[in-house]
Amino acid sequence: QQQVKQSPQSLIVQKGGIPIINCAYENTAFDYFPWYQQFPGKGPALLIAIRPDVSEKKEGRFTISFNKSAKQFSLHIMDSQPGDSATYFCAAPGRRALTFGSGTRLQVQP
Amino acid sequence: DAGVIQSPRHEVTEMGQEVTLRCKPISGHDYLFWYRQTMMRGLELLIYFNNNVPIDDSGMPEDRFSAKMPNASFSTLKIQPSEPRDSAVYFCASALRKQGADRSYNSPLHFGNGTRLTVT
Repeated sequence: QQQVKQSPQSLIVQKGGIPIINCAYENTAFDYFPWYQQFPGKGPALLIAIRPDVSEKKEGRFTISFNKSAKQFSLHIMDSQPGDSATYFCAAPGRRALTFGSGTRLQVQP
Repeated sequence: DAGVIQSPRHEVTEMGQEVTLRCKPISGHDYLFWYRQTMMRGLELLIYFNNNVPIDDSGMPEDRFSAKMPNASFSTLKIQPSEPRDSAVYFCASALRKQGADRSYNSPLHFGNGTRLTVT
């Protein structure tokens, strides 16, 4: 079964900082790696996903970097804002469906 | 679109009682997933349906758990009898395509806001 290891478990940064969240996966049939963002009391929502044929994708302040040989991918949040405070999940396609990482609770202090 | 709708938002019940969680997926989505979220185990896939048919229920923890999808617009997750260890947030999600299929980056999971279940 697909395993996705996510770190760190929690992260506190100052406004304007660049939090980085890392994920490592085992094996996957498809290079498809989405990140989901979850606010308290809400379900996770797709934030950004990387296409299988690129090593980096940027959407606004959010960037995914993908290292296929190392089987790792990471999320960077540029110029972080208090409104970015949420839990972030990486995911990878497993045999059955998406397998989610354990989540990173990000707190951006004003 | 109203998104995925789950009910109730909160459920508090006593051990041994039957609990039924409900979900209305986004219209037109062929896949429906039930996930459970806990601090210890994170987001776990319980079961998923394709075109109302259960495809994989290997994540269902015990026979006490059952799920149905009688039509394209409704699904239930039932726990009978409930136990304190079932306390968690249960999410329903729907998608146009199976996650992990080719080009599935075009088919994100749409989650409901969950049902927080507390079994005392």
